[in-house]
Amino acid sequence: QKEVEQNSGPLSVPEGAIASLNCTYSDRGSQSFFWYRQYSGKSPELIMFIYSNGDKEDGRFTAQLNKASQYVSLLIRDSQPSDSATYLCAVIAGGYNKLIFGAGTRLAVHP
Amino acid sequence: GAGVSQSPSNKVTEKGKDVELRCDPISGHTALYWYRQSLGQGLEFLIYFQGNSAPDKSGLPSDRFSAERTGGSVSTLTIQRTQQEDSAVYLCASSSQTGLGELFFGEGSRLTVL
Repeated sequence: QKEVEQNSGPLSVPEGAIASLNCTYSDRGSQSFFWYRQYSGKSPELIMFIYSNGDKEDGRFTAQLNKASQYVSLLIRDSQPSDSATYLCAVIAGGYNKLIFGAGTRLAVHP
Repeated sequence: GAGVSQSPSNKVTEKGKDVELRCDPISGHTALYWYRQSLGQGLEFLIYFQGNSAPDKSGLPSDRFSAERTGGSVSTLTIQRTQQEDSAVYLCASSSQTGLGELFFGEGSRLTVL
């Protein structure tokens, strides 16, 4: 079992819709969870982080965490074509603050 | 510096040669990470430094890979006797002590082994 799992996609949504990206992790002791965005040919950039169960909102982005289910999600409201990218879920795992990434979900927002 | 700087940005080498990749993190960042990303794939964890120490080297693919960090700043990733499967983009990232997991990435070093 991979430490962090994501559906590779592509997830295709129309402009203006809500995009829902999901991630599961295997280390029940993980405490910190991150979403990164990576445009094609570019390096990843941090979008959001979440440490507590529940929802965390930042503009059009909402991160959701359910530690009991070992599940993290990212919702993007009012999706724009500029949101088209690969979204990487990352989890701090193990005792040495090692940040492990999922394989990423490719999102395509079409006009 | 203002951001994480990596060099070289591109490196083409012949199979069997050694290569060195350099990373200069954001000033004051104590944590430094190396990842590898093959075409169309996710980020593969290689090694993590806290200061000059590498508490977790579990991601290094083989003993041909090594890394060091000096002065709590610049890090070098060395690949000896390169193989074609080493071809990838090698990404370096740094974070502050209080922002573990909030990584700032460099532009990467693209390695092509012929």
